[in-house]
Amino acid sequence: GEEVAQTPKHLVRGEGQKAKLYCAPIKGHSYVFWYQQVLKNEFKFLISFQNENVFDETGMPKERFSAKCLPNSPCSLEIQATKLEDSAVYFCASSQGLANTEAFFGQGTRLTVV
Amino acid sequence: AQRVTQPEKLLSVFKGAPVELKCNYSYSGSPELFWYVQYSRQRLQLLLRHISRESIKGFTADLNKGETSFHLKKPFAQEEDSAMYYCALRGAGGTSYGKLTFGQGTILTVHP
Repeated sequence: GEEVAQTPKHLVRGEGQKAKLYCAPIKGHSYVFWYQQVLKNEFKFLISFQNENVFDETGMPKERFSAKCLPNSPCSLEIQATKLEDSAVYFCASSQGLANTEAFFGQGTRLTVV
Repeated sequence: AQRVTQPEKLLSVFKGAPVELKCNYSYSGSPELFWYVQYSRQRLQLLLRHISRESIKGFTADLNKGETSFHLKKPFAQEEDSAMYYCALRGAGGTSYGKLTFGQGTILTVHP
């Protein structure tokens, strides 16, 4: 597609429940990035993929968070056993490369953990 | 470690007035610097980047390596410029490669 598509737009989960967020990158883009924005503050980098392979996962919390980008499927970010502090807007971005290219962002998924 | 600082959380100006959104960064190499804008209920979109040295919607930004700044300027603000603006840095290699580091954002309000 021409835009990065993120679903759902809003997600409400009770503490301890699982949350799964999806991102369809722009066709032809090799790189996918996930960012977390808590309370309209800074964007925190979580993880990036080069096609199906994890490229950089230095921002991913060691527990409960996982992500995948499988061929012919939207990328996903999964949070097991959600906590209140996971409430945030999760943005996905895609780009053709890592340098001298534009990163295009999705509209974000607002996760609320109650 | 790379860091981006936008000292102003809120900035208000009147239509037609000049506007400057400040951005300072720290990075040990040669970074790529960007300004992203988010209009109400829209997705984050690229406004401009330092390597292209272009002016978009009347905005310009000059990379000052001596002062490690990348301030965004517009000589005559318009009401439609009201939005959230993020300064971002992308590292050129190593563990920073590819990922963007964002500032805290500045909400610009242009009054009629």
